[in-house]
Amino acid sequence: KAGVTQTPRYLIKTRGQQVTLSCSPISGHRSVSWYQQTPGQGLQFLFEYFSETQRNKGNFPGRFSGRQFSNSRSEMNVSTLELGDSALYLCASSSGQAQETQYFGPGTRLLVL
Amino acid sequence: GQNIDQPTEMTATEGAIVQINCTYQTSGFNGLFWYQQHAGEAPTFLSYNVLDGLEEKGRFSSFLSRSKGYSYLLLKELQMKDSASYLCAPPRGNYGQNFVFGPGTRLSVLP
Repeated sequence: KAGVTQTPRYLIKTRGQQVTLSCSPISGHRSVSWYQQTPGQGLQFLFEYFSETQRNKGNFPGRFSGRQFSNSRSEMNVSTLELGDSALYLCASSSGQAQETQYFGPGTRLLVL
Repeated sequence: GQNIDQPTEMTATEGAIVQINCTYQTSGFNGLFWYQQHAGEAPTFLSYNVLDGLEEKGRFSSFLSRSKGYSYLLLKELQMKDSASYLCAPPRGNYGQNFVFGPGTRLSVLP
C-alpha cells in the first residue's frame, strides 16, 4: 500500500501571498488531519477532515482553511501569508475511527520571506 | 500544548536503557500514542496503550496510568539510530481522538 503523499515538498512564498498544499491519504483512509510543526511550538493540530467535512479544528486563525474531496484527498490553504507561517506542514491519514493510528506524510516545508 | 509535559532533551549511551516520561491532563478517554520523529522526517507510530499497564514491543515498551495522567516510553539496548524526538499524544478531542501532541523529547544516543 502506498503511503501518505504530500505535494509540493518545498515551497517559498512572500508575505501576503497565499498557498495551497495537497495531501493524498493511504488508500481506504477517510480521515485526513493537518499539522503545523515549528521548532518553537512543536506539532500543532490545524484541523481534521472526514468524509469531506471538517470534524475537528485546532486553534488557528481563519487564514488557515482546508477541504477534502470525495476521493479523500485533502488540500490546505493559507491566505495572506505571514513570516510566522514558515513551518513544516504535515498531513496524516487514518481510518477515521477514534484512537486509530495516524500515518504521516513527509510534509511540505514552507518558507515565507 | 494543552498541559502535556515531556522532558525537552535527554542523553544516553549506546546499549543503555532510557525512560521518557509524559504527563497530561486526564480527559476521561482512553488511549495514548507514542510517535518517533527523526530529524527532518515525519513522525512514525511507535506504540499505543489503551488500558493501564505495560505494553512491550521488542526493545520498546510503553506504560500508561490513566487515572494519574502518566505514561512513559522505555527504550532498551539503545542504538545510535534511536536518536530522535519522541512525542506522546494522549486522548483529546470530542471523542477522545489523539490530535494533540506533547512538545517532544529529543533523545541523543552517544557512542
